[in-house]
Amino acid sequence: AQSVAQPEDQVNVAEGNPLTVKCTYSVSGNPYLFWYVQYPNRGLQFLLKYITGDNLVKGSYGFEAEFNKSQTSFHLKKPSALVSDSALYFCAVRDPSGYALNFGKGTSLLVTP
Amino acid sequence: EAGVTQFPSHSVIEKGQTVTLRCDPISGHDNLYWYRRVMGKEIKFLLHFVKESKQDESGMPNNRFLAERTGGTYSTLKVQPAELEDSGVYFCASSQVGGLEAFFGQGTRLTVV
Repeated sequence: AQSVAQPEDQVNVAEGNPLTVKCTYSVSGNPYLFWYVQYPNRGLQFLLKYITGDNLVKGSYGFEAEFNKSQTSFHLKKPSALVSDSALYFCAVRDPSGYALNFGKGTSLLVTP
Repeated sequence: EAGVTQFPSHSVIEKGQTVTLRCDPISGHDNLYWYRRVMGKEIKFLLHFVKESKQDESGMPNNRFLAERTGGTYSTLKVQPAELEDSGVYFCASSQVGGLEAFFGQGTRLTVV
């Protein structure tokens, strides 16, 4: 069975500082990994994905994520946080042979001025 | 291009009543998915349509839930009769055939009292 874990319920960062939102996964085989973001009163927005290739994936709004197979991690990062990055972030995994996404429980990111 | 739209955005109903949620996918997307997030927990997969056919309904919690996608366009998810534990946010998503990322709607927040 596939699953992802987001060990932090909340991450607090000062504006301008780098941010990391952690995600680890458990799958058999090669996973498809995704990050989504939910801003207040909005739907889930796709940020980035890892399918294959370069372990560092760049996505929307200056976010990037690093796929680490040995540590089974897919942490989301941004070099300089903005207050507007404050939102709920979800990591998800998908079996390449299927379509359903398995989500983590989400991490609330709060960026303070 | 319009994104995935869901109606209503909020619904408050009494236990035992019936509620129908609607999802309009992105035009041309054959894949349509329903997910649910119960407060504070993971977003869980409910089912997957390919056009009008149910491809995978393994996540449907019980027979009080009925999803349809007549004509392969919009979809409805009916809960009858609603129970307290059905409260949560119901997300719809769509993707193209072979598409790697799914696009989500803003969700319907269902509260059963």
